[in-house]
Amino acid sequence: AQSVAQPEDQVNVAEGNPLTVKCTYSVSGNPYLFWYVQYPNRGLQFLLKYITGDNLVKGSYGFEAEFNKSQTSFHLKKPSALVSDSALYFCAVRDSGNQFYFGTGTSLTVIP
Amino acid sequence: ETGVTQTPRHLVMGMTNKKSLKCEQHLGHNAMYWYKQSAKKPLELMFVYSLEERVENNSVPSRFSPECPNSSHLFLHLHTLQPEDSALYLCASSQSWTGSSEKLFFGSGTQLSVL
Repeated sequence: AQSVAQPEDQVNVAEGNPLTVKCTYSVSGNPYLFWYVQYPNRGLQFLLKYITGDNLVKGSYGFEAEFNKSQTSFHLKKPSALVSDSALYFCAVRDSGNQFYFGTGTSLTVIP
Repeated sequence: ETGVTQTPRHLVMGMTNKKSLKCEQHLGHNAMYWYKQSAKKPLELMFVYSLEERVENNSVPSRFSPECPNSSHLFLHLHTLQPEDSALYLCASSQSWTGSSEKLFFGSGTQLSVL
């Protein structure tokens, strides 16, 4: 069965430090991987996606994600965190059957 | 703004009430979705419409009834809900249902509380 795991409910990082939000997936066939961000009282917003090609994907607001096929991971990263990055982050995978599978979300808090 | 508008933003209803959630997208997309978001759980896909035809119905109780009168509008009709139905209901759209690389555009959601 297809699934997405975000092992950390909460990630805290100091402003200016690098951040990583972890995601692993299980899907048959080639995965299409996505990261979305949700700010308070808002819907999810697209950050970036991996379809094929370069394993390092760059997205909005300075975020990037690294696809690792052998570890079935797609971790979200940013070199220098901002307080405004504090939000809920969702990893998602879309399978060949067009279904999106979302993780449970990781709450990121950037401490000033 | 993502181009997907949901109303109302907040809704409180009793278990015997009937209410409707509305979603409108201004993006010219052909696919529209209803998701349920509960704390600490993955988003649950409820319904998918492609070109106004329902293409997915993930074992959702009949007290939730979707309606898609045209490709820009999507409704979720609610009746005799249970307290456990309290959640954030998100509408989303995408250019098409069949493009696996396509991203979803979400509305801000309706926060539903069932008393």
